[in-house]
Amino acid sequence: KAGVTQTPRYLIKTRGQQVTLSCSPISGHRSVSWYQQTPGQGLQFLFEYFSETQRNKGNFPGRFSGRQFSNSRSEMNVSTLELGDSALYLCASSQIYSSSTEAFFGQGTRLTVV
Amino acid sequence: DQQVKQNSPSLSVQEGRISILNCDYTNSMFDYFLWYKKYPAEGPTFLISISSIKDKNEDGRFTVFLNKSAKHLSLHIVPSQPGDSAVYFCAASEGLAGNMLTFGGGTRLMVKP
Repeated sequence: KAGVTQTPRYLIKTRGQQVTLSCSPISGHRSVSWYQQTPGQGLQFLFEYFSETQRNKGNFPGRFSGRQFSNSRSEMNVSTLELGDSALYLCASSQIYSSSTEAFFGQGTRLTVV
Repeated sequence: DQQVKQNSPSLSVQEGRISILNCDYTNSMFDYFLWYKKYPAEGPTFLISISSIKDKNEDGRFTVFLNKSAKHLSLHIVPSQPGDSAVYFCAASEGLAGNMLTFGGGTRLMVKP
């Protein structure tokens, strides 16, 4: 069974630009979440999508948005990039309506804003 | 306000000995706890979990203990191996709250041969 796939693995963008990251969950997983990892703030929850609907949202500005498609694939978008947005962005998927809620993570997209 | 805390940023252990990683939480609504292992520039790898109805869960060399009254959990690795060297994250979830995990800051484990 293929794992969670994130593309691209690495990105370099200029301040003020926007970026779109993609995530394909494990087959059969309908819940997709996004996390940001930075040295200073650790791993922080961005948002979660289930059945194309955002169910939960972390404490991030509106520049961070996402969506989920009917095949459960998800994208996140960051507009008007700031230097502080440089981070490892991680996507995780899970079978939400099962007996456990372990999330399986992709390898992440390393975003560098210059 | 950190709801999940790992107070030890690093831990060094000799190969073959026990590694004990600790985690404290403050949110009483958390009822599912997970441990992840992470290498640099990679996503976290799920290790083991425990629900609040249990106080212990074992999987091979890994055992997680939960003390609900103290709001404390620990991960025991026995015996420790050099390949276990990584950053370990404790995470918590409010039951079927979805894929919404609150992570601790991580503990870097170094297992010396």
